Amino acid sequence: DAGVIQSPRHEVTEMGQEVTLRCKPISGHDYLFWYRQTMMRGLELLIYFNNNVPIDDSGMPEDRFSAKMPNASFSTLKIQPSEPRDSAVYFCASSATGDNQPQHFGDGTRLSIL
Amino acid sequence: QQQVKQSPQSLIVQKGGISIINCAYENTAFDYFPWYQQFPGKGPALLIAIRPDVSEKKEGRFTISFNKSAKQFSLHIMDSQPGDSATYFCAASKDFGNEKLTFGTGTRLTIIP
Repeated sequence: DAGVIQSPRHEVTEMGQEVTLRCKPISGHDYLFWYRQTMMRGLELLIYFNNNVPIDDSGMPEDRFSAKMPNASFSTLKIQPSEPRDSAVYFCASSATGDNQPQHFGDGTRLSIL
Repeated sequence: QQQVKQSPQSLIVQKGGISIINCAYENTAFDYFPWYQQFPGKGPALLIAIRPDVSEKKEGRFTISFNKSAKQFSLHIMDSQPGDSATYFCAASKDFGNEKLTFGTGTRLTIIP
C-alpha cells in the first residue's frame, strides 16, 4: 500500500509566483481532503472532495487558492499569486466511504514563500 | 468558531507515567471522535477512535474515555514511553466520519527518561 503521495515535499518560491501542490490519494478512496498546518492556526481544512466533486470549500482562504480533482487518482491545490503568509505545511488526506473510516494523510508539502 | 477545544497545549511526562489529554466539543451532532498522532515531518495518523454509544475504548496502552453528558473526551496513554513523544490531535465528525473532521489545536507530548 503506497499511501497518499504528495509532491513536492518542499517548495521555496518568491512572492507573486504560482505554486501547484499535487496529491495522489489511496486507490479506491472516495474522499480527498486538503489541509493547511501552521503554528498559529493549527490544522485547518481547506476543501474536500467526494467522488471528484468539491463538497465544501468554505476553508479556502481567498480567491488566490483553487483546487481541482480531474480524476479519482489526482488532485492539485494551486496558489496564484503566492504571498509570504501562505507559508505552511499543506497536507492531503484520503478516506473510503463507510462508518468510522480513517483519513490517511500524506507527509505534506512544506511551502515557503519569500 | 472553535468547535473542539483541546488541552493542554503541551505536556511533559516521565517515562512510565500516564499522559492525559482532554478535549471538549460543542456540537451535539458529532458522532465520531478520533485521535490522531503526528511525528515531526509526517502527516497525522489515526491512533484510536470512539463513538458516543460507549464510554471507553482501549487499544493497548491507549484509552479513550468519553463523557457524552459533559461533551468531553480524553486520551490516556499508560506506561508512557519516549517513542510516544509526538503531537496529538483530537477531532470530531458527524455521520460516523463520513463528513469533514474538526480538529483540536493539538498537544505536544514529551516523554522524558
